[in-house]
Amino acid sequence: SYVLAQPPSVSVAPGKTARITCGGDNVASKTVHWYQQKPGRAPMLVIHYDSDRPSGIPDRVSGSNSGNTATLTISRVEAGDEADYYCQVWDRSSDHWVFGGGTKLTVL
Amino acid sequence: QVQLVESGGGVVQPGRSLRLSCEASGSTFSSYGMHWVRQAPGKGLEWVALTWYDGSREYHADSVKGRFTISRDNSKNTLYLQMNGLRAEDTAVYYCATGGSGSPFYSGMDVWGQGTTVTVSS
Repeated sequence: SYVLAQPPSVSVAPGKTARITCGGDNVASKTVHWYQQKPGRAPMLVIHYDSDRPSGIPDRVSGSNSGNTATLTISRVEAGDEADYYCQVWDRSSDHWVFGGGTKLTVL
Repeated sequence: QVQLVESGGGVVQPGRSLRLSCEASGSTFSSYGMHWVRQAPGKGLEWVALTWYDGSREYHADSVKGRFTISRDNSKNTLYLQMNGLRAEDTAVYYCATGGSGSPFYSGMDVWGQGTTVTVSS
């Protein structure tokens, strides 16, 4: 089955740029979505269709997808961005929806 | 936009059954594919199942295939997850989420419920 690999943790200072990667075999051929989850809360969609922002998501948040790596980029990081982030795709070969293992973003 | 509220969670013994519900309000439930996603304590998200907007197609994760069944009743704006043969490893928070108003294959999970907790323990 298709596997998405994320780093367990990323740390960044306030005001800097955080980049969270999502690796998968030729992931560029798939449509990647990203979710933010804060403790005790349901996940929230922050990027869909590789790079589109749903309504209400600030333009500090962006996404890209190329080759074997999709990337979620958060610019001008704020304390409120501290959360777990998950990437997700649909795997055509198995008709399964697949999540990455998640990345905990810590704001120093 | 649709709002989702899950119910039906609880503590259940291994081998027993439980049915979760997800009631939708505020929009056209019957337009959306619908997912169940779960999260074991301290773990990441795991996709469980999807039903097409009209219930004509269903997909289940390998970990639950043959034990869990997703279904929906569009006349009641409600999504279900029938869980049979529960195991300790099914212990998790279960979320329902919309799968987009078009093909759910390429859509993100736009709207999520608050989750309902299932604990499988003797």
